[in-house]
Amino acid sequence: ETGVTQTPRHLVMGMTNKKSLKCEQHLGHNAMYWYKQSAKKPLELMFVYSLEERVENNSVPSRFSPECPNSSHLFLHLHTLQPEDSALYLCASSQGDRDHQETQYFGPGTRLLVL
Amino acid sequence: AQKITQTQPGMFVQEKEAVTLDCTYDTSDQSYGLFWYKQPSSGEMIFLIYQGSYDEQNATEGRYSLNFQKARKSANLVISASQLGDSAMYFCAMREGRGGGSQGNLIFGKGTKLSVKP
Repeated sequence: ETGVTQTPRHLVMGMTNKKSLKCEQHLGHNAMYWYKQSAKKPLELMFVYSLEERVENNSVPSRFSPECPNSSHLFLHLHTLQPEDSALYLCASSQGDRDHQETQYFGPGTRLLVL
Repeated sequence: AQKITQTQPGMFVQEKEAVTLDCTYDTSDQSYGLFWYKQPSSGEMIFLIYQGSYDEQNATEGRYSLNFQKARKSANLVISASQLGDSAMYFCAMREGRGGGSQGNLIFGKGTKLSVKP
């Protein structure tokens, strides 16, 4: 069983809808990430939270709004999305420490379709 | 310029044979880490193996090994005794050394689709 869960697994929404993606990690990690995976493109890092503080925002449009209420939970709030935002959204977590490895462990993803 | 290059969009391998998936990287950092992930059709990214830039020995994890050639900046994944369940996308990723405001985030390649034939 994966240590990182994501809900919902599939989501279809209209461009005027508001929805939220949820991620929960059960690994005791202190950093969480949102990635976007579009067809035929490398994974794109969207947001990074370390110790519940946003430390990176890779020029993501404001229609994507992250929230990290605690070290175990991460949300991605979606508002007035565009069809080109349809993609697989992956959440990951890692433990930041002196060890350079800091492997990121991923959830199963949410497949989003914007109509 | 791409930091992670995976030149094989797709690969076929016969069941029980070994296969090598190529990955080259570009960095000026002395300290960095290299990762391989597997992504089945279900979508989850599964961590397979890690190699640190200062590790003198090639990393191994069960049937997975990483052929690390630092001078060539390559980090190829070798899967021995392929199984049907190995059919998936495989991604190479790099974390560069920390500096400034960087959190040393992962940079992914475009992936290689491996198909294992019975």
